[in-house]
Amino acid sequence: EAQVTQNPRYLITVTGKKLTVTCSQNMNHEYMSWYRQDPGLGLRQIYYSMNVEVTDKGDVPEGYKVSRKEKRNFPLILESPSPNQTSLYFCASSSWDSTGEQYFGPGTRLTVT
Amino acid sequence: SQQGEEDPQALSIQEGENATMNCSYKTSINNLQWYRQNSGRGLVHLILIRSNEREKHSGRLRVTLDTSKKSSSLLITASRAADTASYFCATGDTGRRALTFGSGTRLQVQP
Repeated sequence: EAQVTQNPRYLITVTGKKLTVTCSQNMNHEYMSWYRQDPGLGLRQIYYSMNVEVTDKGDVPEGYKVSRKEKRNFPLILESPSPNQTSLYFCASSSWDSTGEQYFGPGTRLTVT
Repeated sequence: SQQGEEDPQALSIQEGENATMNCSYKTSINNLQWYRQNSGRGLVHLILIRSNEREKHSGRLRVTLDTSKKSSSLLITASRAADTASYFCATGDTGRRALTFGSGTRLQVQP
């Protein structure tokens, strides 16, 4: 089944404790992206990747890092999480380019206390 | 930055009625897409309309695009309780290499 998976689905952590949210897709997509969703703000892009070893900032990249060492994986790293990073995070991938139909993961609900 | 803005923010209708949601955007686009999100879950792609198209259908969905007014509408005909979800428009702009999502319309279909 074609899908985007994320882990963990739920995470509660404390300020400053480094964490990684994994994202993997099995559709051989070149383009992958991370979004955060906050009430009243819709989805905002954090980082995206056009292909392996090619990443770039989205609209709200501060406090986040990403890497794209393999085509299928695109982890999101929070080196020192803060409470304002409490949010619902989505990974997405797309086959043809950054403006095409995107396939979304199920989401990771992160709470930073 | 948000480009697509949906209207209304919330809509409640009875099963069997039609639901219409509107989206306005600000800059030139290559395409406009609509996504559905069930509560707390990932977004699901519904339909994509290119900038040179004016109308597109998919099952009970009808999307129109007016590039002169920078607006789009999504019509769901003969709504069902299972259509209850949030609906987002997203604009594709190759200059930004990303989709820009609006804040969504929450649709409630009463059985």
